[in-house]
Amino acid sequence: NAGVTQTPKFRVLKTGQSMTLLCAQDMNHEYMYWYRQDPGMGLRLIHYSVGEGTTAKGEVPDGYNVSRLKKQNFLLGLESAAPSQTSVYFCASSRPTAGLQETQYFGPGTRLLVL
Amino acid sequence: RKEVEQDPGPFNVPEGATVAFNCTYSNSASQSFFWYRQDCRKEPKLLMSVYSSGNEDGRFTAQLNRASQYISLLIRDSKLSDSATYLCVVNRDDKIIFGKGTRLHILP
Repeated sequence: NAGVTQTPKFRVLKTGQSMTLLCAQDMNHEYMYWYRQDPGMGLRLIHYSVGEGTTAKGEVPDGYNVSRLKKQNFLLGLESAAPSQTSVYFCASSRPTAGLQETQYFGPGTRLLVL
Repeated sequence: RKEVEQDPGPFNVPEGATVAFNCTYSNSASQSFFWYRQDCRKEPKLLMSVYSSGNEDGRFTAQLNRASQYISLLIRDSKLSDSATYLCVVNRDDKIIFGKGTRLHILP
């Protein structure tokens, strides 16, 4: 099992450009998440999904869109990148039990630099 | 008050020593608790779950104190490889809240 994988690992964008980050998991997990991590800020939840075809906003959703067309994939889109979106992006997945979250498994991260 | 709070550190501890740090949470309805470890420029990984009865995994012991609303992590006989950031995670219903982490440096 590959676990959670993220593509790309690193990207440089110019302000205003768009891109899509891909997250894939092979553990048949229902829940998937996108976080960003910035120095001194910890992990902040951008969007999450509790199942195929469903998405919900997290703590910092502005400037991002997501889609969960297949259970194993969760895409994060930046329509018009801004320097404030320079960050490390982590995807995670989990399988809830009795309404509670189980362990989250994280991908290796995508480092994004917006110039 | 933040929902999950941790001392950011860094804790600079000589190799072989015992170190402990706490994480406080503000919502008494919080249901499950975890410690994650994050190495520099890597993803967070689960270290251990935290149960009401406490749990131990080798040199690591985690405790939950519901009355005072904190969880703790104790590391005995610390190794250089224990140097990392330790993240406290609190779950409530569908919400997962990460602390900002405590940095630990083990000194040779």
